[in-house]
Amino acid sequence: QKEVEQNSGPLSVPEGAIASLNCTYSDRGSQSFFWYRQYSGKSPELIMFIYSNGDKEDGRFTAQLNKASQYVSLLIRDSQPSDSATYLCAVSNAGNMLTFGGGTRLMVKP
Amino acid sequence: DAGVTQSPTHLIKTRGQQVTLRCSPKSGHDTVSWYQQALGQGPQFIFQYYEEEERQRGNFPDRFSGHQFPNYSSELNVNALLLGDSALYLCASSYHGSSYNSPLHFGNGTRLTVT
Repeated sequence: QKEVEQNSGPLSVPEGAIASLNCTYSDRGSQSFFWYRQYSGKSPELIMFIYSNGDKEDGRFTAQLNKASQYVSLLIRDSQPSDSATYLCAVSNAGNMLTFGGGTRLMVKP
Repeated sequence: DAGVTQSPTHLIKTRGQQVTLRCSPKSGHDTVSWYQQALGQGPQFIFQYYEEEERQRGNFPDRFSGHQFPNYSSELNVNALLLGDSALYLCASSYHGSSYNSPLHFGNGTRLTVT
């Protein structure tokens, strides 16, 4: 069974700090990796995707992928209270069928 | 350019009833996927439709069925509702001809409550 694991949190960081969110996956055939942000009561919003080993930066967000370790992470620099949400890690191998982790709740305290 | 649209936004049904949820894909997209998100959990893949046929299916019982129309819009039907079917139902669309790596964007979802 293909699994994606995340620490449920909550992860609490002070405003301005770096938040580090982690995810591991079991299917070595996974080729695409996504991070979604979900505010309470809302639908998931895509914030980052990465396909190759290494780092990918977009503004305050950096996604990191290590396929050998089956590990993907999301760093949020200069965290803001508005970043407080649940972050969902998702992976796919083909056909755009996503397998999601349970999400990590992030709390950024002013 | 409208994104993925879903209707209704909220729905309350009684156990044993049937429900139909609707999804219109983003302009230019021809593939629709449905996900179920129970409270406090990540979304789970239900099925995907392309060319009016179910192409992939997750681990959901036959009570969950779907349809895709020639205009690429889609319906999700759930029969014999159970309390455990209470969830946020999400629809996402994509273009089949693009790379399988295409990121999915979700609609706003339909919140189904079964009492």
